[in-house]
Amino acid sequence: AQTVTQSQPEMSVQEAETVTLSCTYDTSESDYYLFWYKQPPSRQMILVIRQEAYKQQNATENRFSVNFQKAAKSFSLKISDSQLGDAAMYFCAYRSAKSEKLVFGKGTKLTVNP
Amino acid sequence: ETGVTQTPRHLVMGMTNKKSLKCEQHLGHNAMYWYKQSAKKPLELMFVYNFKEQTENNSVPSRFSPECPNSSHLFLHLHTLQPEDSALYLCASSQEGLPIGAQYFGPGTRLLVL
Repeated sequence: AQTVTQSQPEMSVQEAETVTLSCTYDTSESDYYLFWYKQPPSRQMILVIRQEAYKQQNATENRFSVNFQKAAKSFSLKISDSQLGDAAMYFCAYRSAKSEKLVFGKGTKLTVNP
Repeated sequence: ETGVTQTPRHLVMGMTNKKSLKCEQHLGHNAMYWYKQSAKKPLELMFVYNFKEQTENNSVPSRFSPECPNSSHLFLHLHTLQPEDSALYLCASSQEGLPIGAQYFGPGTRLLVL
């Protein structure tokens, strides 16, 4: 069974600085998709970024970028120029191309200090 | 974010009550999902509906009964729940097909079972 591990339960960053959240996953498949979701205290889960495993190029969305290392099964999220509004729980998620099931990690709570 | 709406946002019920959670998506998607989010646990997939057909039941107790009358609406009928069922229940939708897209989440229903 696929698993997703986020080894950092909590992280903090100073406003305007850069932070990297780590995620590793376990799978025997070659075709899959990876996601980062953000859940602020308001609870709405928001998509941050999506990566297709067959694409070597790392996905970016404005201040958010990923470091996708397929061989190492690693999918870290980098947040540049951190803002107070970035404070939230961040979840890494995996989905096989063969299944509708999205497998989530336990999350990393990010605090942004002014 | 109004693409996926959920009602009610908060619900308190006794163990003998019957209640229903409602989810509606306005994104034109063809798949809908129910997730359970408990404290300190990863999100757990409960049910998947693809083109109104249930394609996944993740070993969910029968006291949870889903209903999907069309591709825009999803219900979760609750009866004789237990206190350990207290959690945040999230609905999500996605457009199934290739390439696989992301799932978009509603704000959730915070359920407390007394």
